[in-house]
Amino acid sequence: DAGVIQSPRHEVTEMGQEVTLRCKPISGHNSLFWYRQTMMRGLELLIYFNNNVPIDDSGMPEDRFSAKMPNASFSTLKIQPSEPRDSAVYFCASGEDSRPGELFFGEGSRLTVL
Amino acid sequence: AQSVAQPEDQVNVAEGNPLTVKCTYSVSGNPYLFWYVQYPNRGLQFLLKYITGDNLVKGSYGFEAEFNKSQTSFHLKKPSALVSDSALYFCAVRDIRYGGATNKLIFGTGTLLAVQP
Repeated sequence: DAGVIQSPRHEVTEMGQEVTLRCKPISGHNSLFWYRQTMMRGLELLIYFNNNVPIDDSGMPEDRFSAKMPNASFSTLKIQPSEPRDSAVYFCASGEDSRPGELFFGEGSRLTVL
Repeated sequence: AQSVAQPEDQVNVAEGNPLTVKCTYSVSGNPYLFWYVQYPNRGLQFLLKYITGDNLVKGSYGFEAEFNKSQTSFHLKKPSALVSDSALYFCAVRDIRYGGATNKLIFGTGTLLAVQP
């Protein structure tokens, strides 16, 4: 298996622009997570899907952030409009109920908002 | 409230020496505990977990962790450190608010392990 695939790996954009990050989880996994990592705030959980349904989105910073999981093999995290404080590495992770807590992380999408 | 604490931001150890990265937890009921490692510019990787059974859990890359219920600790250990072990290590506990087989974890703040040659 190719693992969790994220795109783009790097994104540089200007303040106010829309950013869309993409994630393909491991086939057969039914949980999907979006995390954000910065030096200042560490690792933060943004949203958690189970069987394509959002279970916990309490970590989504504000209305500028939205996440979707239209099917079991694809998820997006959108920021509109982007701000410099959104600059971070965004990770997607997936897991399966039969192995609780064993998550597989993608390589991350490094976002820089100028 | 459930939580894990990693009291050390950084641990320095010489290559060949034993290493310990500390983690304490606060959970009601029986905890599911995990260790993850993050190498530079990479995503987190699962190392090992404790669910039940033997208090000493063995994982990847020669790492092991000891569950201590009386001290509410789950310290990560390795008998002989390698320079290649230098990375960021995260302790985590399963979030039981969702019950069942939830995969949602509560991560600690991470400990940077630096192994000097």
